[in-house]
Amino acid sequence: DTGVSQDPRHKITKRGQNVTFRCDPISEHNRLYWYRQTLGQGPEFLTYFQNEAQLEKSRLLSDRFSAERPKGSFSTLEIQRTEQGDSAMYLCASSKPRGQGIDTQYFGPGTRLTVL
Amino acid sequence: DAKTTQPNSMESNEEEPVHLPCNHSTISGTDYIHWYRQLPSQGPEYVIHGLTSNVNNRMASLAIAEDRKSSTLILHRATLRDAAVYYCILRDHGSGGGADGLTFGKGTHLIIQP
Repeated sequence: DTGVSQDPRHKITKRGQNVTFRCDPISEHNRLYWYRQTLGQGPEFLTYFQNEAQLEKSRLLSDRFSAERPKGSFSTLEIQRTEQGDSAMYLCASSKPRGQGIDTQYFGPGTRLTVL
Repeated sequence: DAKTTQPNSMESNEEEPVHLPCNHSTISGTDYIHWYRQLPSQGPEYVIHGLTSNVNNRMASLAIAEDRKSSTLILHRATLRDAAVYYCILRDHGSGGGADGLTFGKGTHLIIQP
């Protein structure tokens, strides 16, 4: 257990439905990352927060995806109008503030999304 | 982040040393070499990192070539619990660097035979 938790662990939904995932990072970590991982591939970066500010978004993050971190603590990732291609493992990671050494990322267990 | 090249898979016997290679010929002077691993059905976990000198920690050792264009992750005595996908990642820690996400490749799938 890295201290990063994600909820739910598994989600099955029908195409066209909206889903929301939650990530609770390690409490003293101000950086939070979202990744997506499909079968047989390494994780792919989606977006990154420093405190409550979303500082970077990958081209993979289509308009149907939105992420928030309203108080600089937990974060949510919402996918609207899900498609079968969204089926993947969604991983969250957190790291210490810059200036406190190398920003090792600590990953949660992931949320596995299946879109039927 | 610069690109790395790793073998798709490697096999080793339990309780033997394992050497996992990584090529990164386009590494820049401010790139650190990070290794993460992902056990089945889990998120990735940090293993070790280095810049120029060889590094040791409780999990593994990292041997970095003198020209920094390659590195090797060494598991001194592999156990069945070390069976995982191992990712070699370059991370720019120069001015303004290190702020974005990690760039994972496909990694090396390490199989440990009992």
